[in-house]
Amino acid sequence: GAVVSQHPSWVICKSGTSVKIECRSLDFQATTMFWYRQFPKQSLMLMATSNEGSKATYEQGVEKDKFLINHASLTLSTLTVTSAHPEDSSFYICSATTGTGAIAETQYFGPGTRLLVL
Amino acid sequence: KQEVTQIPAALSVPEGENLVLNCSFTDSAIYNLQWFRQDPGKGLTSLLLIQSSQREQTSGRLNASLDKSSGRSTLYIAASQPGDSATYLCAATSGGGNKLTFGTGTQLKVEL
Repeated sequence: GAVVSQHPSWVICKSGTSVKIECRSLDFQATTMFWYRQFPKQSLMLMATSNEGSKATYEQGVEKDKFLINHASLTLSTLTVTSAHPEDSSFYICSATTGTGAIAETQYFGPGTRLLVL
Repeated sequence: KQEVTQIPAALSVPEGENLVLNCSFTDSAIYNLQWFRQDPGKGLTSLLLIQSSQREQTSGRLNASLDKSSGRSTLYIAASQPGDSATYLCAATSGGGNKLTFGTGTQLKVEL
């Protein structure tokens, strides 16, 4: 149980285009999802926290208009990288909690999406 | 602001050796600490989770300890195998919103 999927697993796009990444909880309802990015040989950095039906909370230094997050249902959150540039190339990973409201709930991680912007 | 550091950054050991990975965190007010494994180009696999009230957790050949007062956690791997080769990440849950702060990772290579 508690499986999280991401689509696509990898994507190559031209500079200036927008890319949408999906994060789905397959067998549970996720009221909260998290988006992370990971640069090569570096650790995961939290980008934003996404709550179903409300606006995402972005971490300091993350551009809201650049990284659009939508959490329209209890099983799906999307991250759209708008007007992508080569420096946006990274590994994007999402996680989801089961939403019981408990402190420090277990986060279940997706397999990640590798974005390469040419 | 929570900061998590892991040493060493990379480690290469012969098969069968016991080894210890270290993780330190600056803010001791954590809810829990987790250890993950990440294979190249892949997502995260959760290995062990230690609640703030616990001192250690064990799963198979893995044992993780937690010392909140000193801001440290260790992951002990017994009888290492080539299949253990991966990057190991620790992460502390603290603050509001159940935020995970990840360490810098230890890249482990177990050689035949």
